[in-house]
Amino acid sequence: DQQVKQNSPSLSVQEGRISILNCDYTNSMFDYFLWYKKYPAEGPTFLISISSIKDKNEDGRFTVFLNKSAKHLSLHIVPSQPGDSAVYFCAASSSGSARQLTFGSGTQLTVLP
Amino acid sequence: DAGVIQSPRHEVTEMGQEVTLRCKPISGHDYLFWYRQTMMRGLELLIYFNNNVPIDDSGMPEDRFSAKMPNASFSTLKIQPSEPRDSAVYFCASRLTSGRGEQFFGPGTRLTVL
Repeated sequence: DQQVKQNSPSLSVQEGRISILNCDYTNSMFDYFLWYKKYPAEGPTFLISISSIKDKNEDGRFTVFLNKSAKHLSLHIVPSQPGDSAVYFCAASSSGSARQLTFGSGTQLTVLP
Repeated sequence: DAGVIQSPRHEVTEMGQEVTLRCKPISGHDYLFWYRQTMMRGLELLIYFNNNVPIDDSGMPEDRFSAKMPNASFSTLKIQPSEPRDSAVYFCASRLTSGRGEQFFGPGTRLTVL
């Protein structure tokens, strides 16, 4: 049973436009959500996170939105740049599980110049 | 500031051979995680340690897999005997207890079992 789902395996966006990556979760105990970015032949790197007490967190070009009632979060990248092309993983954790991370399957973002 | 270090970066071996993957966590981090990434199953947690003690190994696929953490700066993941279906990228990650869940990943070891 996948507790964190990323239903879009891939997304292509034109440079300068907005990229929106989506993630859904089923476990209501999750209270902290993270996005990781992964380039080929590298490990995932932390990008941005959000606590369940918030509905938005912004860091430069990256904004994460959380809709608790829908158990849905999204990552917005504005404006998108070719260097943003990577696989993006959504992850979630709960305080009752020693903060283990449960990962989604990832979305390959391609930003076209 | 060195991140998580993994070795080797690539490993090619034949079925039946023993494979040992190594990890050095970030200094001061007290949690260490081993993950496996495959096309079919994505990124899955195998085992994690807290203060060098294995806490949860429910993700270890079979008894052929074992992991140790003899001290705070070193961990190994061993597969004996290896099988072709073990071919994957294995990641090590570490974090602080005080964190909210952010883990820092190593570059991974790409294992190919022929």
